[in-house]
Amino acid sequence: NAGVTQTPKFQVLKTGQSMTLQCAQDMNHEYMSWYRQDPGMGLRLIHYSVGAGITDQGEVPNGYNVSRSTTEDFPLRLLSAAPSQTSVYFCASSPARGDWHNSPLHFGNGTRLTVT
Amino acid sequence: KNQVEQSPQSLIILEGKNCTLQCNYTVSPFSNLRWYKQDTGRGPVSLTIMTFSENTKSNGRYTATLDADTKQSSLHITASQLSDSASYICVVSAIQAGTALIFGKGTTLSVSS
Repeated sequence: NAGVTQTPKFQVLKTGQSMTLQCAQDMNHEYMSWYRQDPGMGLRLIHYSVGAGITDQGEVPNGYNVSRSTTEDFPLRLLSAAPSQTSVYFCASSPARGDWHNSPLHFGNGTRLTVT
Repeated sequence: KNQVEQSPQSLIILEGKNCTLQCNYTVSPFSNLRWYKQDTGRGPVSLTIMTFSENTKSNGRYTATLDADTKQSSLHITASQLSDSASYICVVSAIQAGTALIFGKGTTLSVSS
């Protein structure tokens, strides 16, 4: 199993550009989520999904969109990039919708995004 | 406000030595406490998960303790190795829907030879 795969690993955008960060998992996990990690701060939840067709906002959702058309994929879209979105983005998944509170999160290796 | 505080912020130890990392939390209602290891440039990897009724859990040379009464946890690393150099993140889960994980800022451990 590849686990959680994120692409690209690095990306530089200009202010106002849009892009999609890809996340795919091959563990048949129902729960998927996106976090951002900034220096001196804990990971913060952007959006999450408890199953295909279901998404919800996390702590810092503004400027980001998500969709979950399949169990495997959970892309994160930046609609109009801003310098404040410069960060490292992590996708994570966890099994069993009802049991995710007690299941470990499996993280991808991140996408490092710079917005100039 | 739900918060997770970790100490120290950073730590340098010699290879072969033991160390203990601390985590204090004010999260309610409490569900479980997790420790993750994050190597530089990689995603966090789960080390342990402890529920309210568990007060210790081991994963190889890593031993986590939990005192739910004082809302404190520690991660003890025995006989450290160079590969233990990483950031260690304490995460507390609250019993609520959706966004229920509160992340600490992490402790950066450097093991030198």
